[in-house]
Amino acid sequence: NAGVTQTPKFQVLKTGQSMTLQCAQDMNHNSMYWYRQDPGMGLRLIYYSASEGTTDKGEVPNGYNVSRLNKREFSLRLESAAPSQTSVYFCASSADYSGDQPQHFGDGTRLSIL
Amino acid sequence: GENVEQHPSTLSVQEGDSAVIKCTYSDSASNYFPWYKQELGKRPQLIIDIRSNVGEKKDQRIAVTLNKTAKHFSLHITETQPEDSAVYFCAASDFNKLIFGAGTRLAVHP
Repeated sequence: NAGVTQTPKFQVLKTGQSMTLQCAQDMNHNSMYWYRQDPGMGLRLIYYSASEGTTDKGEVPNGYNVSRLNKREFSLRLESAAPSQTSVYFCASSADYSGDQPQHFGDGTRLSIL
Repeated sequence: GENVEQHPSTLSVQEGDSAVIKCTYSDSASNYFPWYKQELGKRPQLIIDIRSNVGEKKDQRIAVTLNKTAKHFSLHITETQPEDSAVYFCAASDFNKLIFGAGTRLAVHP
């Protein structure tokens, strides 16, 4: 049972390039989340999808877009990468959107923007 | 919206001592409070959680206490071991999402 799988694990981009981070879960969870983690700032929510077909902004959505492709997959897109988006990105999922269910995290994507 | 503050930011203890990490939250409607452990280069992993209808929960050497009136909750680790060294994050529910504290880096010295 893989849980939450993120691809790629590492990526280096040049300023202005675009890319999509992929996330898939095999736990039949309804809710999925994208976070970024910067030193000393904990985990900040970028976007989330409470259920298939819905997406909402989190704390730091600027510069990102998301797509809930189906129940299993939730992708994060950087349209025009900036150095300020250098970070570690984590995808997570939870059973539902009630807010009182544990979130399960993927291994993260380490993204550097030059 | 919810705001979560976590203290201390770093904590150093001797092996066998206890460690306590404290978090405060702002929204009295929050009803779920998980704690995550993140080892260097790894994913955050849930270690214990508590819901607002419970004041304390224990799992072996780890316990969490919740004071709803004061809006704070704490993680207690007893008989610390070197493998407890990691960054610990608290979180509080905010409707249908979690808001995380900034983290505490715990170092356990042999």
